[in-house]
Amino acid sequence: SQQGEEDPQALSIQEGENATMNCSYKTSINNLQWYRQNSGRGLVHLILIRSNEREKHSGRLRVTLDTSKKSSSLLITASRAADTASYFCATTDSWGKLQFGAGTQVVVTP
Amino acid sequence: EAGVTQFPSHSVIEKGQTVTLRCDPISGHDNLYWYRRVMGKEIKFLLHFVKESKQDESGMPNNRFLAERTGGTYSTLKVQPAELEDSGVYFCASSQELGDTYNEQFFGPGTRLTVL
Repeated sequence: SQQGEEDPQALSIQEGENATMNCSYKTSINNLQWYRQNSGRGLVHLILIRSNEREKHSGRLRVTLDTSKKSSSLLITASRAADTASYFCATTDSWGKLQFGAGTQVVVTP
Repeated sequence: EAGVTQFPSHSVIEKGQTVTLRCDPISGHDNLYWYRRVMGKEIKFLLHFVKESKQDESGMPNNRFLAERTGGTYSTLKVQPAELEDSGVYFCASSQELGDTYNEQFFGPGTRLTVL
């Protein structure tokens, strides 16, 4: 079964708006990560949040983690057209294997 | 420092043919992972090499897929014979030696495989 599951599956917003997507997972984790995939390109690591952290910021990105609810959220503030991409959360097992969710497709229109 | 590279970037083949994908990890990275994203669905783990050994190949879909990492450097993933459902993007990632601290996986650009 999937470890990480995102919602919504798709999100369409205008430039300047904020985009929020959520991720739920099933088992205990050491950390949770968010990745981005632009169309036709590879995966880019965005941010990692450890299980003892509740919130983390990186530029226009804000990630929260609630281990009691086994959920995380990714907020992109002041979105840009270049933020159009698929966003995935992922958890890691002890050997580093990443388990991804289905992803959220974000479309930012000018 | 060069990142993870994959070749080819795109491959179009017919059902029943053979395709070999290649991944060159970052130099010195012992861990090499293969993942794939099929039909816009979730990204799924295929297998994990530690140097030249297969640590975990639980994600390999069937025996039509064969992965190798001779000498613990680059890796190849061969699909023989290819089926329509194999179409998707195949990602390779590498990371340094595992330990108590997290080791980020660096992803290659992926190989887009289209089976007609």
